Amino acid sequence: GAGVSQSPSNKVTEKGKDVELRCDPISGHTALYWYRQSLGQGLEFLIYFQGNSAPDKSGLPSDRFSAERTGGSVSTLTIQRTQQEDSAVYLCASNTLAGSGTDTQYFGPGTRLTVL
Amino acid sequence: GNSVTQMEGPVTLSEEAFLTINCTYTATGYPSLFWYVQYPGEGLQLLLKATKADDKGSNKGFEATYRKETTSFHLEKGSVQVSDSAVYFCALSVNQAGTALIFGKGTTLSVSS
Repeated sequence: GAGVSQSPSNKVTEKGKDVELRCDPISGHTALYWYRQSLGQGLEFLIYFQGNSAPDKSGLPSDRFSAERTGGSVSTLTIQRTQQEDSAVYLCASNTLAGSGTDTQYFGPGTRLTVL
Repeated sequence: GNSVTQMEGPVTLSEEAFLTINCTYTATGYPSLFWYVQYPGEGLQLLLKATKADDKGSNKGFEATYRKETTSFHLEKGSVQVSDSAVYFCALSVNQAGTALIFGKGTTLSVSS
């Protein structure tokens, strides 16, 4: 079946602009995660959605970062007033919370964000 | 807090050499342990996992054993190939559904023919 998809695959923006990154999880996966992969910091958790529950935002690095998940499926990560240190690969992952394999997350290909 | 420490890279090997990438963890409770691999230009893929002590995860000739007494999950392969060149990440999740993965910094493996 289809895996996790993300768009765009690459995004170049100017400092101070807002950007939106999209994630389409595996159909039927109720849990969705955003991570950031950067050279200095490795892979960092940003935010987690589970069904209709309030998201776990504990990993968001500043209030310029926000995310939504509409209809329990597609998610959008928004970064306002981008800074050069936001340059990274943003990864989305999903998993099922029912049945076996609930601990295995499946990752999308990522969006490479470059802030000039 | 929970954390993962894995050996710094890069690791450079000749084809057919033996590979070990060390990974140790700190966690409360009984985490699940994972190795993810990222091939050049591709996304993260699950390589193998183990969910309890003494479990051995294996895939594509790679193995790792969950050692609770040493809090380790070292990745091994008996004979590496050029196609194994990639970045390898050790990770854990606290054993509850819906918790974020905690990753090590990643180890770059380069295999030459």
